[in-house]
Amino acid sequence: DVKVTQSSRYLVKRTGEKVFLECVQDMDHENMFWYRQDPGLGLRLIYFSYDVKMKEKGDIPEGYSVSREKKERFSLILESASTNQTSMYLCASRRGQSRWSNQPQHFGDGTRLSIL
Amino acid sequence: AQKITQTQPGMFVQEKEAVTLDCTYDTSDQSYGLFWYKQPSSGEMIFLIYQGSYDEQNATEGRYSLNFQKARKSANLVISASQLGDSAMYFCAMREAHPETSGSRLTFGEGTQLTVNP
Repeated sequence: DVKVTQSSRYLVKRTGEKVFLECVQDMDHENMFWYRQDPGLGLRLIYFSYDVKMKEKGDIPEGYSVSREKKERFSLILESASTNQTSMYLCASRRGQSRWSNQPQHFGDGTRLSIL
Repeated sequence: AQKITQTQPGMFVQEKEAVTLDCTYDTSDQSYGLFWYKQPSSGEMIFLIYQGSYDEQNATEGRYSLNFQKARKSANLVISASQLGDSAMYFCAMREAHPETSGSRLTFGEGTQLTVNP
């Protein structure tokens, strides 16, 4: 089975802190994704990466950056945390580099981040 | 840009009955894919079923089937013989090819909270 592991299940940080959320997958997937989930808004894509050192902006990249130095690890960085970044953050990975791929994304268990 | 619409914020069904969760989409692409995910209260996202735009048959996976009506741009999830464990949030998502790279991404709907009553 595919395993996507997020470093923390719950995290509490203070406004202005630099926050790192880590995600590791063990299936050699090319593609990795970061989403945030808020009630009534579904999942919104922050950033994604289809290869090592490659990254693409999603729908809501403002206030975030990402790093993918190794294939299995995709980090989300909140440069200066703000209260409106309190949310559930979900990481996902997917096999295959075809843009027409029918492979599903596999998700981690999520990190519930609170910014005080 | 693609858009996914799930018009039912909440649905209720009696145990052992069937239920249909609605999903409509909007895209100008000829090739696309539709996914359904289940999210129990514990938070993990579980992949349920996939339908490709060129698939001639409606997808089925156990008690899950997808009622795909291409002309109407709808991809409704049908759960047969509902179980208490089916109570969860359900998300419809569409695959979108990235215009400038070889990658693709998913766009999600807002979700439908399904409650199965005993």
